[in-house]
Order: sequence, then C-alpha cells, then structure tokens
Amino acid sequence: GAGVSQSPSNKVTEKGKDVELRCDPISGHTALYWYRQSLGQGLEFLIYFQGNSAPDKSGLPSDRFSAERTGGSVSTLTIQRTQQEDSAVYLCASSSQWVNTEAFFGQGTRLTVV
Amino acid sequence: TQLLEQSPQFLSIQEGENLTVYCNSSSVFSSLQWYRQEPGEGPVLLVTVVTGGEVKKLKRLTFQFGDARKDSSLHITAAQTGDTGLYLCAGVGSQGNLIFGKGTKLSVKP
Repeated sequence: GAGVSQSPSNKVTEKGKDVELRCDPISGHTALYWYRQSLGQGLEFLIYFQGNSAPDKSGLPSDRFSAERTGGSVSTLTIQRTQQEDSAVYLCASSSQWVNTEAFFGQGTRLTVV
Repeated sequence: TQLLEQSPQFLSIQEGENLTVYCNSSSVFSSLQWYRQEPGEGPVLLVTVVTGGEVKKLKRLTFQFGDARKDSSLHITAAQTGDTGLYLCAGVGSQGNLIFGKGTKLSVKP
C-alpha cells in the first residue's frame, strides 16, 4: 500500500480480555515504531524494530504488552488482560533505514477498555 | 535518558497573532524534526533541521535549530485557524529510535 495501514481502526474490549493490533508498514521500510497516545496528550514510545536487530522494548509499560514483527514487515502489538488504563490511541510508524529520515504514521487504533 | 521538553503545553490565540513554541533537551541530537498532528490523524512531518544554527522557513512557519543542537523553536507568523493542531518535536535517540516531546496543543480562534 501507499501508506502505513493499521487495523482495526477502533476496538472496544472488555477488561481482562486480550487484544491484537496490527500494523502494515510502508514496503521497504526497515524501521517500525509503536507509540501510545492518551486523549490530548503526546506520544509515549512503546517499542522500536530496526531490520533484523533485537527490538528496543524499553517503552513497554508492563509485561502484559508485547510486539512482534514477522518477516521484517507486518507487526502485531498484543495487550494481554487489558485494563481500563490501556485505553488510548495506538499509533504505528515506519521509516527507512537512513538517519534523519521521515517517520510515516498510520491513523492509529483507538482502543477502549470497558 | 534523552528527553525532549516542549513548551508551552497549551496555547490558545486569535487568528493573526504570532507565536513561538519551544523544544529543549539537555542532550545533543544529530537532528530534530517537527511534526503536526490533526485530530483523528497520525503526525505528519513538517521539517527536519540538521545543522546547528540552521533556520528553515515553510511559508509562515520558521524553524530554528540551536547552535549546540540541544534545542529548537517553531515560530508561526499571522496564525490561521488551519494551523490548529498538536505540534511535536522529535529527535533520533542513541539507540536509533525516534524520541518525541509531549507536544504543544495549539488552538487558533477566528
């Protein structure tokens, strides 16, 4: 596709359930990021993948959060045993391998935990 | 830990006014980027500044990178309602990841 695609665009789940959020980056982009954004707030870094290197997971808020990137392309962010404080917009971005390059964002997945 | 502090956090002005928002860090960055995010959308890149002391202009927007490459500013001249949005600065961290500030939420009223 032409841009970063995220699915679903909206997800409502019950507290305690697991959810999976998907990100399709721009073809050929080696870097992929996940961020979380609470209403009206800035971007909270979650995890960063770069090529075949080990991901930087330093931003994951708890062990209920995990992410994988298969074949260097599609990424899935999984939240286990969701809590109400997990409600936010989850944004994915991708960029090429070059330094100072632009990050292209998807439109995000709005997660609501009820 | 590399952090980017943005100020002010919120800014509400009338159309036609000028404004400046700031992005500061105690760390040196090889470059800084500015993004704008509109409601319901992902952030979109406005500009990248690379050289210390660099000034870039994008129509009514002027971006400056500090000489020491630790800070940047965004100045908007004669703000318009279409400038409303969340302005984010970002820098490449030591691990290669993109670090964002918390943003300045700008509201321009007609």
